Amino acid sequence: DAGVTQSPTHLIKTRGQQVTLRCSPISGHKSVSWYQQVLGQGPQFIFQYYEKEERGRGNFPDRFSARQFPNYSSELNVNALLLGDSALYLCASSTGTRTDTQYFGPGTRLTVL
Amino acid sequence: RKEVEQDPGPFNVPEGATVAFNCTYSNSASQSFFWYRQDCRKEPKLLMSVYSSGNEDGRFTAQLNRASQYISLLIRDSKLSDSATYLCVALSGGSYIPTFGRGTSLIVHP
Repeated sequence: DAGVTQSPTHLIKTRGQQVTLRCSPISGHKSVSWYQQVLGQGPQFIFQYYEKEERGRGNFPDRFSARQFPNYSSELNVNALLLGDSALYLCASSTGTRTDTQYFGPGTRLTVL
Repeated sequence: RKEVEQDPGPFNVPEGATVAFNCTYSNSASQSFFWYRQDCRKEPKLLMSVYSSGNEDGRFTAQLNRASQYISLLIRDSKLSDSATYLCVALSGGSYIPTFGRGTSLIVHP
């Protein structure tokens, strides 16, 4: 079975631009979470969606938004990019129960110049 | 104070050594705990859940101390392939949002 997939794998943008990252969960998983990981730090929670509804939001500015589609795939959008948005963006899927294991995708490495 | 704190290390140990990491959590409502492993430039992968009674999986043992609000991971007979960053994760009761620590780097050398 395919694991969590993310696209693109790498992305280079300039300040002020907008970016859309995509994630496809494991088949049968209904929950998708997004994390930002900067070098030397653990993943920081951005959003969680379950059954197309937002179930949680981390401490990120409104420039960050996300959505989940009927097929449970998800997009993360970041507007007005800043240098500090450079990071590895991880998507994780799970069945949606509270203590369920989260399975991470390989991530999208975003560089903002 | 961060919700989940870990010593970033690195812990530099020879093959065959026993090494232990601690992770402290500040939210007393935290009820579920996990250890993830992350290899360089790769995604985190679940290593093991941490149960109240402690649990063991081969060379790995996880313990939970609720009174002192910390969890630990013990690795026995370290292998070169154990070199990675170990992330501690806490989940508060009623929450679906896990909180990750910054990770502890382990380097196992010949």
